[in-house]
Amino acid sequence: GNSVTQMEGPVTLSEEAFLTINCTYTATGYPSLFWYVQYPGEGLQLLLKATKADDKGSNKGFEATYRKETTSFHLEKGSVQVSDSAVYFCALVNINFGNEKLTFGTGTRLTIIP
Amino acid sequence: EAGVTQFPSHSVIEKGQTVTLRCDPISGHDNLYWYRRVMGKEIKFLLHFVKESKQDESGMPNNRFLAERTGGTYSTLKVQPAELEDSGVYFCASSQVAYEQYFGPGTRLTVT
Repeated sequence: GNSVTQMEGPVTLSEEAFLTINCTYTATGYPSLFWYVQYPGEGLQLLLKATKADDKGSNKGFEATYRKETTSFHLEKGSVQVSDSAVYFCALVNINFGNEKLTFGTGTRLTIIP
Repeated sequence: EAGVTQFPSHSVIEKGQTVTLRCDPISGHDNLYWYRRVMGKEIKFLLHFVKESKQDESGMPNNRFLAERTGGTYSTLKVQPAELEDSGVYFCASSQVAYEQYFGPGTRLTVT
């Protein structure tokens, strides 16, 4: 079956630090990959996505590249801000295999210190 | 355009009681999904509606959970009777296509 493994948190960084949150997956075929973010007191928001190998998703200064050879989709940001403090979830969907359910990782809580 | 809304935002009930969660999807979205996050673990799929029909209910944990989607609009998720392990955050999402699921703010359920 499908599964997503992401970096255990919590992660605490200083403002302007470089961020990497690791995510690897197990799936047959060619899943689509996502990063969702949950800010304090809010629901899940789609941060970025990639639907095929070597695609790079980007949004709000965050980037992630779909690496099929390493089955990874690591989230990166060059200079984090206090407002990036949130819980980040890596997820996949494997539409080609007849289901549309998202499979999520456990989430990584990120705290940015001024 | 209004987003996905969920009601209530937080519910505290005693073990054995019944709770009904409601989700209003984005207007025009045929697909509606329920997920839950228990004890800070991963978010897990519960079920998927296409309009008023259950497309996939493979994630429903047991027969104490009943989901309905009236007329293909809003959906309810009833837990009866609630158990301690049902505590968690229940998310609803809607979409036109599977790779663009829009989530609501979630309902935090606490069973004491």
